Amino acid sequence: QITLKESGPALVKPTQTLTLTCTFSGFSLSTSGVGVGWIRQPPGKALEWLALINWNNDKHYSPSLKGRLTITKDTSKNQVVLTMTNVDPVDTATYYCAHRPPGWVNFDFWGQGSPLTVSS
Amino acid sequence: QSVLTQPPSVSAAPGQTVTISCSGSSSNIGSNPVSWYQQLPGTAPKLLIYDNNKRPSGIPDRFSGSRSGTSATLGIPGLQTGDEADYYCGTWDSSLSGYVFGTGTKVTVL
Repeated sequence: QITLKESGPALVKPTQTLTLTCTFSGFSLSTSGVGVGWIRQPPGKALEWLALINWNNDKHYSPSLKGRLTITKDTSKNQVVLTMTNVDPVDTATYYCAHRPPGWVNFDFWGQGSPLTVSS
Repeated sequence: QSVLTQPPSVSAAPGQTVTISCSGSSSNIGSNPVSWYQQLPGTAPKLLIYDNNKRPSGIPDRFSGSRSGTSATLGIPGLQTGDEADYYCGTWDSSLSGYVFGTGTKVTVL
């Protein structure tokens, strides 16, 4: 059974650096073809894909946020970490991590989400 | 911001059929498989359709997907009150080298 859970601060101040952790179980990020992605959703708005890390450490970032995002994995801890620098109130959103199955371009299991508010 | 366009809302009476369109381009829908996600109020998205028309285990066969050219469609016949949710299409964009979601469609059961 695949599960994912996001953790991170509920409130950060503008210009600070945000660190979000996705802790998962039921799969290994060392298995060929597997990936973990981050997606966010501002209140009342659409889903926005942020980043993806694959089993072979191949990384992809949203072009609109590239330069502010860093995604890393710790296979031994079953964790994926997303770092976002210089946060702004427009980054207020619920942040989800999700499992990308081998061979497919989709996210089949999602975490419950971690709500974040950026405010001074 | 999204490169995939969906109608903001669709509605129908219980038992009727709704279809949701997702319009993209040759670099996304035109060359990569489409998925659909259902997001019930206050919950995380759930994969509904993958590889254009396949359903994960546990998804009722009432939900169907199709792709033609640079567009995709989600069909929900026999609409039920429990189908009230936001629906998003998604796929890989080869030009952006990233995943893209649609603008989202709210389904209302009248």
